[in-house]
Amino acid sequence: DSGVTQTPKHLITATGQRVTLRCSPRSGDLSVYWYQQSLDQGLQFLIHYYNGEERAKGNILERFSAQQFPDLHSELNLSSLELGDSALYFCASSPGDELTEAFFGQGTRLTVV
Amino acid sequence: GQNIDQPTEMTATEGAIVQINCTYQTSGFNGLFWYQQHAGEAPTFLSYNVLDGLEEKGRFSSFLSRSKGYSYLLLKELQMKDSASYLCAVRDQDDKIIFGKGTRLHILP
Repeated sequence: DSGVTQTPKHLITATGQRVTLRCSPRSGDLSVYWYQQSLDQGLQFLIHYYNGEERAKGNILERFSAQQFPDLHSELNLSSLELGDSALYFCASSPGDELTEAFFGQGTRLTVV
Repeated sequence: GQNIDQPTEMTATEGAIVQINCTYQTSGFNGLFWYQQHAGEAPTFLSYNVLDGLEEKGRFSSFLSRSKGYSYLLLKELQMKDSASYLCAVRDQDDKIIFGKGTRLHILP
């Protein structure tokens, strides 16, 4: 158990819908990173938050947004869902704002039908 | 563009040594990471290199040459449980973390 909690573990939804994925970092960690992993694309960096502020953005679609709250948990919002958004979404956390050793949650498997 | 290359698959024998290579072309460089990922599970951190040279951690070692844009992960005394995907990732100058597609390592008894 990495100490990073992601909910829900599985999510099945229809195209065009909107979902919210939640991540609770390890106690004391200030950074949260979101990744998307699909079979053909590997692990794609989406976005990094540090202590409530956005620090870096990867290839995150405009339909996707994220935020980190004062209690340091983070949410990833995915809207106007398409079939191609089906993937594993991982959250990772680390103590500081540098990814020297990050701990990953078990992921949320999103299936868009 | 940003590119990280590593072999798609490798096979090795239990008890042997295997080296997984990674080459990268990124916008700047702020560190290189190796992760292990078993099928259906979350990646787990193995190593982090920011300076040239070899970092050793038990049976696993990671090497970096920034001038060559090259790293390798060395696994010694292979065990069946080492069968997994190994992901190379680079943090670029804008703090974006770019992952390679991973190397699936198969260990034969």
